[in-house]
Amino acid sequence: GAVVSQHPSRVICKSGTSVKIECRSLDFQATTMFWYRQFPKQSLMLMATSNEGSKATYEQGVEKDKFLINHASLTLSTLTVTSAHPEDSSFYICSAPTPFGNTIYFGEGSWLTVV
Amino acid sequence: KQEVTQIPAALSVPEGENLVLNCSFTDSAIYNLQWFRQDPGKGLTSLLLIQSSQREQTSGRLNASLDKSSGRSTLYIAASQPGDSATYLCAVPYNTDKLIFGTGTRLQVFP
Repeated sequence: GAVVSQHPSRVICKSGTSVKIECRSLDFQATTMFWYRQFPKQSLMLMATSNEGSKATYEQGVEKDKFLINHASLTLSTLTVTSAHPEDSSFYICSAPTPFGNTIYFGEGSWLTVV
Repeated sequence: KQEVTQIPAALSVPEGENLVLNCSFTDSAIYNLQWFRQDPGKGLTSLLLIQSSQREQTSGRLNASLDKSSGRSTLYIAASQPGDSATYLCAVPYNTDKLIFGTGTRLQVFP
């Protein structure tokens, strides 16, 4: 079974609204989680690093005020896409390394469609 | 800046063929390289992880090799099956657990 779970797997929202995606580590505690984005027929690009107890670290070109990340606990990170635009439509996927850093697990991903 | 590319971008073969997927990276200072499988609209499944001290790893019909000096890794799939159809991604780490992914190879194996 999955050790990192994402929810929802698919979501459709209207332009201008906000949508939240959750990433949970099920069998271990993750002080760090990573959020990636994948546009159609493109590879995955790291958006940000979610840090439990501190602010997220964003990659260059990613708007921190648009993509809000909250690492609420040692097993949960959330990505909120604020004021969504159709250009934000993408596949969002999270990953979490195990505490000893020897394995990185990925969530199942979330398809976001903004209409 | 590390760049990871994969060749070919797409591949369509009849089942039974042995396949070679290529991954190239520009910065050889990596401590491992990982191969993933991604089914359409799904998450990632880790296939093989090769440490920098290793030259290859095997899992069933899959064999991955790593040549750091030349900045290359290959994923060899023996006796391909329709169930192998997916996108295959290689990835190298930077800053510990962050990953830079390759451009991917979309594989289709037809009966």
